[in-house]
Parts: sequence; C-alpha cells; structure tokens
Amino acid sequence: DTAVSQTPKYLVTQMGNDKSIKCEQNLGHDTMYWYKQDSKKFLKIMFSYNNKELIINETVPNRFSPKSPDKAHLNLHINSLELGDSAVYFCASSRGTGAYEKLFFGSGTQLSVL
Amino acid sequence: DAKTTQPPSMDCAEGRAANLPCNHSTISGNEYVYWYRQIHSQGPQYIIHGLKNNETNEMASLIITEDRKSSTLILPHATLRDTAVYYCIVPTGNQFYFGTGTSLTVIP
Repeated sequence: DTAVSQTPKYLVTQMGNDKSIKCEQNLGHDTMYWYKQDSKKFLKIMFSYNNKELIINETVPNRFSPKSPDKAHLNLHINSLELGDSAVYFCASSRGTGAYEKLFFGSGTQLSVL
Repeated sequence: DAKTTQPPSMDCAEGRAANLPCNHSTISGNEYVYWYRQIHSQGPQYIIHGLKNNETNEMASLIITEDRKSSTLILPHATLRDTAVYYCIVPTGNQFYFGTGTSLTVIP
C-alpha cells in the first residue's frame, strides 16, 4: 500500500478555473504538508497541518486553501488558477512536528495551467 | 531559507563509492542534519539523518565533522538507480527547506 497517496497525478486546466488536489496518508502520522516544486526544481513548503490544525502557512496567495477533514487527509484547493501556479505539488507527512521527524512524500501532482 | 551549501553536480562510476559533501557552518548544537534524495519524477525520499555521531543504515552512511560544520553522505556502492538529486537539510523546527541539492549521475 502507498504510504502517502495524492490524486490526481496530472492536472491540466485553464486559467481562472478552480481545482483541488487530494492527499491521504495511511501511516498514522499527525502532521501533513504541502510543498510546491517549480520549474527550476526548487522545493518550497507551503502549508503544514498538525492534527488538523494549521501550523505553517508560508507566503502563499490566499487563492490556495488547504483543508484537513481529519489527520489522515490534507487537500489543497486552488481558486482562480494562474499560469504561475504550474508546478509539481507534493504532499508529505511526518509522525510529529519535531526537528527529528522524517518526512514521507507522495509521488506528486503535476499541475499545468494553460 | 536553506542553511546548507552543496556542489550542484557530481558524477560517480557505477560500483564505486559516491561521497556527497555538504556545508552547514551555521548549524547550532541541537540541529540535525538530514539527507533526502529525489529521483526524477518522484517525491523526495528520506535517506538518513544525524546529530553528532556518524550514522549508517541500509541506504547510506553519514559522516559529520567534529565541529558539525560539514557532513558527507556516502553511498558505498553506487548503482544506476542512485542517480538523483541529493538534498542536505538542516531543518528549522519542523520546517524542511530544500535547497538546490547535488545532482548525482552514476555512470555505467
């Protein structure tokens, strides 16, 4: 079984649309994350949730809204998509929030905004 | 922001040891050093981490200098499947900032 799974793997859409990416982890972890990897391959943290509560919110446009219905799921909703949103989005999870925790990543969602 | 510096790229012959260096001169006493790798089109994968002592697991060894200002990840017998970007990270709290990493190419 995949530990951290995200869907869809590919997402192609038009500017201005609203789309969601789903993430689920079956590791029993308390903390989940969204990372964005742009065309230059920089991987940047966007959000972090611990037990369904937002704990990290980097400088991300408010068009991006994470939702955590329970601690095994962290979905990412994006409103009014822009060309610059094209990137690979990775979901990750960790057991807790300490500096000694390992991150487990999903396989990524490649978002292309046309 | 990333607190580490790594060479942008390295080559290694298949079957030889790959030694990937990392500088983290501003690391503080209680901060760990983590290594992850990202194989093309996949999510990053945890390799190893350490605080002060050298560490070894089934994937790699981590050598941390005594002053903790630098470390080296060692893949003892590199295979073609080890071709990837390797990230050395010193997390701040639970925030893992990935820099540009080292692109390792294992050559047949």
